[in-house]
Amino acid sequence: GEDVEQSLFLSVREGDSSVINCTYTDSSSTYLYWYKQEPGAGLQLLTYIFSNMDMKQDQRLTVLLNKKDKHLSLRIADTQTGDSAIYFCAETSGYSTLTFGKGTMLLVSP
Amino acid sequence: GAVVSQHPSRVICKSGTSVKIECRSLDFQATTMFWYRQFPKQSLMLMATSNEGSKATYEQGVEKDKFLINHASLTLSTLTVTSAHPEDSSFYICSARSWDRGGGETQYFGPGTRLLVL
Repeated sequence: GEDVEQSLFLSVREGDSSVINCTYTDSSSTYLYWYKQEPGAGLQLLTYIFSNMDMKQDQRLTVLLNKKDKHLSLRIADTQTGDSAIYFCAETSGYSTLTFGKGTMLLVSP
Repeated sequence: GAVVSQHPSRVICKSGTSVKIECRSLDFQATTMFWYRQFPKQSLMLMATSNEGSKATYEQGVEKDKFLINHASLTLSTLTVTSAHPEDSSFYICSARSWDRGGGETQYFGPGTRLLVL
């Protein structure tokens, strides 16, 4: 089946940039998403990118997509302690279910 | 963004009882909703796809008689855990599919329901 891989843990200092990486195997992926999950809560959609784009910026968030390498990254500029959470990468080929990565725990220290 | 609610947020029940969880899309209509289960420190596991007006599609290994899904309207899907047992204790999250003006699809997630079966 299709697979989405993420590193499990990232630790940064407040004010630094964070980069969370994701790789996927489905060459027919149409939409790729980043979700944020805080402890005990559901998933919050942060941003998404269509496969025909290679970059999307939304305030502190920058998504880069390398379709050739099937690599997706999320950069958070000026990371704050409130950004500490688990970040899930997910993909779908449209009209289908999401395939999630296992999540990257981001820990931001003061 | 679109808002999805779940009720209850947390439930504790005795083994053998049934528990109903509601998922509502508050500001959009969702012909398709999804039910996920999440174990501690793990990713989401898709249980079933709920389609308005038709039977749900269950993932392999998910018992349809155990996890009853009803998607009676464009804004409401329910998951009933029948004869719950301690191994059913988990975090259940629903999502609703929405389409933006550009034709892109997005799933918006509810806040989750923590089920504890004693």
